[in-house]
Amino acid sequence: QQQVKQSPQSLIVQKGGISIINCAYENTAFDYFPWYQQFPGKGPALLIAIRPDVSEKKEGRFTISFNKSAKQFSLHIMDSQPGDSATYFCAASMEWGNNDMRFGAGTRLTVKP
Amino acid sequence: DADVTQTPRNRITKTGKRIMLECSQTKGHDRMYWYRQDPGLGLRLIYYSFDVKDINKGEISDGYSVSRQAQAKFSLSLESAIPNQTALYFCATSDFGGGRNEQFFGPGTRLTVL
Repeated sequence: QQQVKQSPQSLIVQKGGISIINCAYENTAFDYFPWYQQFPGKGPALLIAIRPDVSEKKEGRFTISFNKSAKQFSLHIMDSQPGDSATYFCAASMEWGNNDMRFGAGTRLTVKP
Repeated sequence: DADVTQTPRNRITKTGKRIMLECSQTKGHDRMYWYRQDPGLGLRLIYYSFDVKDINKGEISDGYSVSRQAQAKFSLSLESAIPNQTALYFCATSDFGGGRNEQFFGPGTRLTVL
């Protein structure tokens, strides 16, 4: 069974809107939570990551919100742009990423102009 | 990322054939990984290697084997391919420690088993 559950499967947002993708995990030993972005025909690339000692991390228009008690974390994309259209994967691992990574199923984001 | 290359990029093979996918990296990273990507399932780890002498099974290693020929090379083999191994395969590398613990992915190999 998938240790990291991601929703929604697909998301359509208007340009300038906020895109929100949610993930939930089960293993409380996970201590590293990255988000990867994948464009068609390319491999995934790290977008932003968080560790459970903070509840939020922001890099530009991208923010991770982390709720340790609920075992949930989410990606918020502010002022979404057509260039953000891609597939987004959340993931989780132990030992700060120095161990095998478990990925969510992915969310295909489309930002309409 | 041109620093991680995969060959071939596309491969069509028949059930029962042996096939090898190759990965090379010029990033100087010790750690290398093989994933498969399937629609609706995301990426699943097949094998990972923390150095030339260290090979570990991932979430879905059955039906696959790997070889770490050198720090820069990590090969994935399907000894007897079957249709449900049809997928997009990615190699990735990472460096030990560091703030971002980032994995760098290659461009992928699309494998079709008929």
